[in-house]
Order: sequence, then C-alpha cells, then structure tokens
Amino acid sequence: EVQLVESGGGLVQPGGSLRLSCAASGFTFSSYWMSWVRQAPGKGLEWVANIKQDGSEKYYVDSVKGRFTISRDNAKNSLYLQMNSLRAEDTAVYYCARDRSEPAALSYFYYYMDVWGKGTTVTVSS
Amino acid sequence: DIQMTQSPSSLSASVGDRVTITCRASQSISSYLNWYQQKPGKAPKVLIYAASSLQSGVPSRFSGSGSGTDFTLTISSLQPEDFATYYCQQTYSTPYTFGQGTKLEI
Repeated sequence: EVQLVESGGGLVQPGGSLRLSCAASGFTFSSYWMSWVRQAPGKGLEWVANIKQDGSEKYYVDSVKGRFTISRDNAKNSLYLQMNSLRAEDTAVYYCARDRSEPAALSYFYYYMDVWGKGTTVTVSS
Repeated sequence: DIQMTQSPSSLSASVGDRVTITCRASQSISSYLNWYQQKPGKAPKVLIYAASSLQSGVPSRFSGSGSGTDFTLTISSLQPEDFATYYCQQTYSTPYTFGQGTKLEI
C-alpha cells in the first residue's frame, strides 16, 4: 500500500525549532519530487516547499525562506522539514505529499499531489 | 507569485444538482491546474490534474475544463459524499499556489 506518515509535530514556543519527518512506503521514493503543504486552523491549503528526487533542487514559499529547510534521505525513504525561528503564523497541520508528474509538451511535466499523509500538527505558542 | 482566485467561496446545493466552481489565475498557466477535494479532518484528495484529466478512481461525474487563466470544476450530479471543500492549485511555477477554497454545503 502506498503510504506517507508524518511525525514530529508538537507545541513549540515562538522562536523555537522543530523537525518534521515523513516516512514513505509502498512506492519507489527516490523517483518522485516530494512536497510539504500546510493548513492553518480553519484556513485553506498553503504549499510550503518541494524537493527534487536527488535533493539537488529545492523550492520554498517566500514566508518560510531562510527559516525552513526541506531535505530527504532516499536510503531511509524519508522526507524532512527543519523549521527554525518559528512564528505563531506557522501554526498548522503539515502534510507531506508525493508530486506525481505526467508528460506535457516538449520536456515539460504536469505536476500534481497524488498521495498525501494524514498530517502532523504544529502549534507555535508561548 | 501567481494568485489563484476561486468563486464562489461557498455554495449551497442539493443532491442531484449540477454544480460549477470557477478558478482564475492572475496570469496564464496554460493547463497546469489541479483540483482537490478535502473533507473535514482529512487530507486533500486529487480529482483533476492538467485542467481536465480525471485522476484514476475518481467518479466520472467530476470534470474539469479551461486553459490560460480561467478554469472550471463541474460536478454533474451531486452525491451526498461530494459535500466538501474544493481547492484549485497551479503547478505552472513555484510557489505552487492554491485557491482559497470553495465550501460545498447542503
């Protein structure tokens, strides 16, 4: 069964750090881009970051640049999100997701998130 | 960043109704548009990718159309399990932005 399981969430004070993990199983993890998406309480979805199959390319939403770092360990089938200098507005459920690709024109691809974990909750509060 | 705007933000409908949700991008995104369904307390689920391609296992009552800046998600005959929140998302360029969501209610 294809599965993603997040862990590492919890309560942290403003300015603190937290490391989220996502364990993948049931598919060849090293073949896919992977993303983190978050959802603040009662709010919509916000894409946070993604990482290429070999870790050589990483992209972030502006609000987390310089504070969050996405990484992966293909030998352990795991995705990570290191979160530093946390703020109250980072409070959310954090989902990891698999980025599926389908060929588009020329060498371009359509990307969409086809497998999601159940999420882990991060609360930033004093 | 590309802004995605959905309308309406909420919608009341009945079982059997035909429903259309629209999504507009702040610049052309070709067909790099996905639709997700999310139920309370659950992770999102992809319905449509590349604007009009139906994800495997998704009922055929769901369909997507559009290209450039204007897109629609249509549910041809609402079923009880379709009452949820729907999001569009562009994957034309990072950051992969989502629309604000459309809550579909009875």
